[in-house]
Amino acid sequence: GESVGLHLPTLSVQEGDNSIINCAYSNSASDYFIWYKQESGKGPQFIIDIRSNMDKRQGQRVTVLLNKTVKHLSLQIAATQPGDSAVYFCAENSGNTPLVFGKGTRLSVIA
Amino acid sequence: DAGVTQSPTHLIKTRGQHVTLRCSPISGHKSVSWYQQVLGQGPQFIFQYYEKEERGRGNFPDRFSARQFPNYSSELNVNALLLGDSALYLCASSFDPPRVEAFFGQGTRLTVV
Repeated sequence: GESVGLHLPTLSVQEGDNSIINCAYSNSASDYFIWYKQESGKGPQFIIDIRSNMDKRQGQRVTVLLNKTVKHLSLQIAATQPGDSAVYFCAENSGNTPLVFGKGTRLSVIA
Repeated sequence: DAGVTQSPTHLIKTRGQHVTLRCSPISGHKSVSWYQQVLGQGPQFIFQYYEKEERGRGNFPDRFSARQFPNYSSELNVNALLLGDSALYLCASSFDPPRVEAFFGQGTRLTVV
């Protein structure tokens, strides 16, 4: 079946450095992608989204890159802060299909 | 404005029992979706309701059911609980039938013993 997965389960970065979280997806029909942040004991929090007609989108300190050729999605966090420590999920869908989430990457920020 | 609210926040049930989880969407949102998140995994889609009608159902057994009320709040019911039903149950709401599950509640942590 279709799946969304992540390359690395954990990522540790020094405070102030940039973080890059990667995600691979297998459904070539996927045309909408979202990154979520989930802190302990909380529900997923929307960070940024991107549609398949784009290859880059920027938000506040975050950038999402989409490479449809290799079905790869990444989330870049600039100047990572301790408050960025969380589990990050990518999710995708196409048309009216429900969101499919990956397993998540835990980001740990070292002060 | 209140976000998506879920109740209860935590729940312990015994195998074989049933459980009802509740969700109130953000005011003005007509679509509610339910997800199950097992520890260490991403959320998995269970149901989507829009305007009180089921719009989608994930790969879950018939023990799982849901409904949406005229005020757009929703209930998720699980019968004959199994140990494997232990998970965080998340509710998400959106205005339109979602392409964007932008707003999640804090979840209900269900433990089946």
